[in-house]
Amino acid sequence: EDKVVQSPLSLVVHEGDTVTLNCSYEVTNFRSLLWYKQEKKAPTFLFMLTSSGIEKKSGRLSSILDKKELSSILNITATQTGDSAIYLCAGNYNNNDMRFGAGTRLTVKP
Amino acid sequence: DGGITQSPKYLFRKEGQNVTLSCEQNLNHDAMYWYRQDPGQGLRLIYYSQIVNDFQKGDIAEGYSVSREKKESFPLTVTSAQKNPTAFYLCASSPGGAGHTEAFFGQGTRLTVV
Repeated sequence: EDKVVQSPLSLVVHEGDTVTLNCSYEVTNFRSLLWYKQEKKAPTFLFMLTSSGIEKKSGRLSSILDKKELSSILNITATQTGDSAIYLCAGNYNNNDMRFGAGTRLTVKP
Repeated sequence: DGGITQSPKYLFRKEGQNVTLSCEQNLNHDAMYWYRQDPGQGLRLIYYSQIVNDFQKGDIAEGYSVSREKKESFPLTVTSAQKNPTAFYLCASSPGGAGHTEAFFGQGTRLTVV
């Protein structure tokens, strides 16, 4: 069973729309949840959420960790074409075990 | 500058050959990871290492092998037993330990079987 599950797998929106990406994680040995953006090659870090830091915001992007539902969302407001990318969610577990979900491919059309 | 270096960027392998992908980091990180990414997909964990001379299998370790003889280096060998090795391979590292930290990625190696 996958430790980290993302939805939707792909999403097409128009500039200016607001999007919400979802990630659920397995709780056993869970330490933190991370969000990355991947445009071409190396994923770039967006946010890290832990039990003591469940909400993060940076510009138009924000993320929340729901410890009760074992899930996280990544919100992007006023989307731009430059937001087009694969968004990856990862669970960091004990012993530095880090598992990613399948990713959400976001396409923002002009 | 500190970072993670993967080489080569592109690699072509004939069927039946073993190939080794290099990953070197000068960030003094304890933990290192290898992931495989197929087109339009997420990252699947092949192997990870918490510390020198120790490594653990991930979800898709069959057909791959690793070593961790030095803290800075975590090479991945794709063996002939890996039936479908064509993919994009990403190496990552993190400080490790009990703290909460993100992982940093190399630029990847694209492996193609010819």
